[in-house]
Amino acid sequence: EIVLTQSPATLSLSPGERATLSCRASQSVGSFLAWYQQKRGQAPRLLIYDASNRATGIPARFSGSGSGTHFTLTISSLEIEDFAVYYCQQRSYWPPEVSFGGGTKVEIK
Amino acid sequence: QVQLVQSGAEVRKPGSSVKVSCKASGGTFSSYAISWVRQAPGQGLEWMGEIIPVFNTTNHSHKFQGRVAITADESTSTAYMALSGLRSDDTAVYYCARDSRQYQLLPVAADIWGQGTMVTVSS
Repeated sequence: EIVLTQSPATLSLSPGERATLSCRASQSVGSFLAWYQQKRGQAPRLLIYDASNRATGIPARFSGSGSGTHFTLTISSLEIEDFAVYYCQQRSYWPPEVSFGGGTKVEIK
Repeated sequence: QVQLVQSGAEVRKPGSSVKVSCKASGGTFSSYAISWVRQAPGQGLEWMGEIIPVFNTTNHSHKFQGRVAITADESTSTAYMALSGLRSDDTAVYYCARDSRQYQLLPVAADIWGQGTMVTVSS
């Protein structure tokens, strides 16, 4: 089972600042990695797929990078609506399973 | 616009079973994978399994092996997730989600999500 570890658990920043979120995999997942945003009481929203591709309608301030075991989600300049919890998710070939990281909460400082 | 509409909240006793439905409206159904993800109160996301109707394939998390059954009825564009042997720690919001791309043997990213179904397990 591939374990995803996200850091930090909480990120306290001000609007306009840059946010850098990390996701590390216990073994290589290639580029089979996605990022989601979740706000309280809502379903998750896909931001990034295949490690670095923005999903439809996602603003350009969101970007993803990395491959193998280390991935990063960057929000270049935080907007008020970006304060939320972010999850990374991987897909393994064998066993054919999916796992999520524990999440990073981005809160207003 | 494609939507996934899930069945309503459920309350079950420990040891019983629950079946949650997820109906897709708009677009094609069978060529997209449908995953089931749950979230316990105040906790993170947990993948349970998926079904890819066009390939007649299901995959499950080893954690739920033997307890979960994921099926699909292509005639009604509805996916189902049945969980048996319910325990109090199965109390969670259960989501269905559709993969962003068609014909994926290894679905990676879900861009359409249902509204979630709260399942409460309590004696």
